[in-house]
Amino acid sequence: GNSVTQMEGPVTLSEEAFLTINCTYTATGYPSLFWYVQYPGEGLQLLLKATKADDKGSNKGFEATYRKETTSFHLEKGSVQVSDSAVYFCALRGGNTGFQKLVFGTGTRLLVSP
Amino acid sequence: DAGVTQSPTHLIKTRGQQVTLRCSPKSGHDTVSWYQQALGQGPQFIFQYYEEEERQRGNFPDRFSGHQFPNYSSELNVNALLLGDSALYLCASSYIDKDSYGYTFGSGTRLTVV
Repeated sequence: GNSVTQMEGPVTLSEEAFLTINCTYTATGYPSLFWYVQYPGEGLQLLLKATKADDKGSNKGFEATYRKETTSFHLEKGSVQVSDSAVYFCALRGGNTGFQKLVFGTGTRLLVSP
Repeated sequence: DAGVTQSPTHLIKTRGQQVTLRCSPKSGHDTVSWYQQALGQGPQFIFQYYEEEERQRGNFPDRFSGHQFPNYSSELNVNALLLGDSALYLCASSYIDKDSYGYTFGSGTRLTVV
């Protein structure tokens, strides 16, 4: 079945450092890929998405490129802020119908210090 | 425009009891999915409702059941609660025919079983 593997955290960075959170996936067909962010005590917010190979999703300075050849969707940001501290989830959705579920990784906690 | 609304926000129940969680989807959305997020883990898919029917189900026992109403709102019921059912329960809504693959998540209901 479909699955997502994320790097374990926590990832601890100083403000303005470069961020990479690795995500690889296993799926049949051509899944859509997502990054969600969860702030303390809150639900999930969609950060960015990519629906086909070589697509680049971007939002709020975060970027991720759908790499089919390496089955990866790594999250990057050039300069992190303290306010980026949160848990980040990589997820995929297989198929192209509305009934497909989201499959999540275990999440990576990011801690940014001033 | 209200997003996804879940109630209650927190709940404490005793082993063996039954619980009902509620979800109102985002305006314009017609599909509701439920996820269970244990502490430190990624969300796990429970089931999805569309047109008042369960369309897809994850690997959860029959103690977990649901319902969708004509106004698209939904309930999640859990019978014979176990300590292991303690988790954050997330509701996500979407529009079945919209080719955006986007889910909107609520802030969740934190269930503690003692």
